[in-house]
Amino acid sequence: EAGVVQSPRYKIIEKKQPVAFWCNPISGHNTLYWYLQNLGQGPELLIRYENEEAVDDSQLPKDRFSAERLKGVDSTLKIQPAELGDSAVYLCASSFGTSGVSGELFFGEGSRLTVL
Amino acid sequence: ILNVEQSPQSLHVQEGDSTNFTCSFPSSNFYALHWYRWETAKSPEALFVMTLNGDEKKKGRISATLNTKEGYSYLYIKGSQPEDSATYLCACNFGNEKLTFGTGTRLTIIP
Repeated sequence: EAGVVQSPRYKIIEKKQPVAFWCNPISGHNTLYWYLQNLGQGPELLIRYENEEAVDDSQLPKDRFSAERLKGVDSTLKIQPAELGDSAVYLCASSFGTSGVSGELFFGEGSRLTVL
Repeated sequence: ILNVEQSPQSLHVQEGDSTNFTCSFPSSNFYALHWYRWETAKSPEALFVMTLNGDEKKKGRISATLNTKEGYSYLYIKGSQPEDSATYLCACNFGNEKLTFGTGTRLTIIP
């Protein structure tokens, strides 16, 4: 069974440029998460989808970040314009159900962004 | 603010030795605890999900315990091998359908 697929794995851009990350979750997983991991920190939730609905986007900086999950499968996370402080690893994860009790998360390999 | 704290931050262990590290969390509103292993250039992989006080789980040479009353979990690795080198992440759910992650323990096994 294919795992969570993310692309690109690495991206280097100049500040003020746009960037987009793509995630394909495990088939049948209705919940999809985007996490941000800064160097030396633990992953922090940016947005959680249940099917196509964003049920928790309270941590998403909406002035420059946007996300979508059309048809409740693939998801795209966009940053426009990127700032130096956005350099981080962007992790996508999926689960069957929510992580509230026993639903382990299945992660992709992450997209490492460097903003120059 | 619900903080999940892990210690130590990093650890070097001789191959063959056993080791353990800690995840601490506020015991109020605790719902579940997850342990993940994250090897370099790979995706984080779930090791255990634990919910009950006194829970003990084992997978091969790795085991974990959970004390929800005092707010901690231990992860044990017996007879460390080079392939155990990774960052071990602990994450807790406090009933809000969101996982709060610690900063991880980076384990390096010395051959």
